[in-house]
Amino acid sequence: EVQLLESGGGLVQPGGSLRLSCAASGFTFSSYAMSWVRQAPGKGLEWVSTISGSGGNTYYPDSVKGRFTISRDSSKNTLFLQVNSLRAEDTAVYYCAKGGPYHTSPLDCWGQGTLVTVSS
Amino acid sequence: DIQMTQSPSSLSASVGDRVTITCRASQGISNYLAWYQQKPGKVPKLLIYAASTLQSGVPSRFSGSGSGTDFTLTISSLQPEDVATYYCQGYNSDPFTFGPGTKVEIK
Repeated sequence: EVQLLESGGGLVQPGGSLRLSCAASGFTFSSYAMSWVRQAPGKGLEWVSTISGSGGNTYYPDSVKGRFTISRDSSKNTLFLQVNSLRAEDTAVYYCAKGGPYHTSPLDCWGQGTLVTVSS
Repeated sequence: DIQMTQSPSSLSASVGDRVTITCRASQGISNYLAWYQQKPGKVPKLLIYAASTLQSGVPSRFSGSGSGTDFTLTISSLQPEDVATYYCQGYNSDPFTFGPGTKVEIK
């Protein structure tokens, strides 16, 4: 059974940083692209980042480019999202999601999410 | 960048009704279109990918169609457990934008 478990969220001041983690199990981690998707309170889904199975290619929307960095450690079956220069509008639940063999794949399994709150 | 729109933004229908949700991409995305269901307080779940392929375990009352820029999600007979917000997502190239969502309620 595929399982994704996020951690690392919390309350942070504007301008601060966090490192989110997603522990994966139940599949061959290095064979699949992985993504982060966020959802602000009461709002819709927003794609945040994708990384290829090898980790060699990463993708971001303009809203987070230069502030967020996605990475993965296949020896630990763990996905990361380093979030810097946080703004109030980054407040959201951040979901880790499993893709397919290619970065252009649907997201077929989602974690429970970790809440990031940016506030002074 | 490709923009995704959905209509309607919300709908209310009776149990057993046929429900159709539309998703439109601002540029052609072939069949790189997924539909997700998010029940209240729950995690999103993949329903359909490649515009019309049902994800394993999803009830057959759900179906998808379309290609290029226009896509539809149909629930053939609405059930109480289908109360949720439905999102489309284009994934042919980044940014992998989601639509704004369609909230489905029971009348």
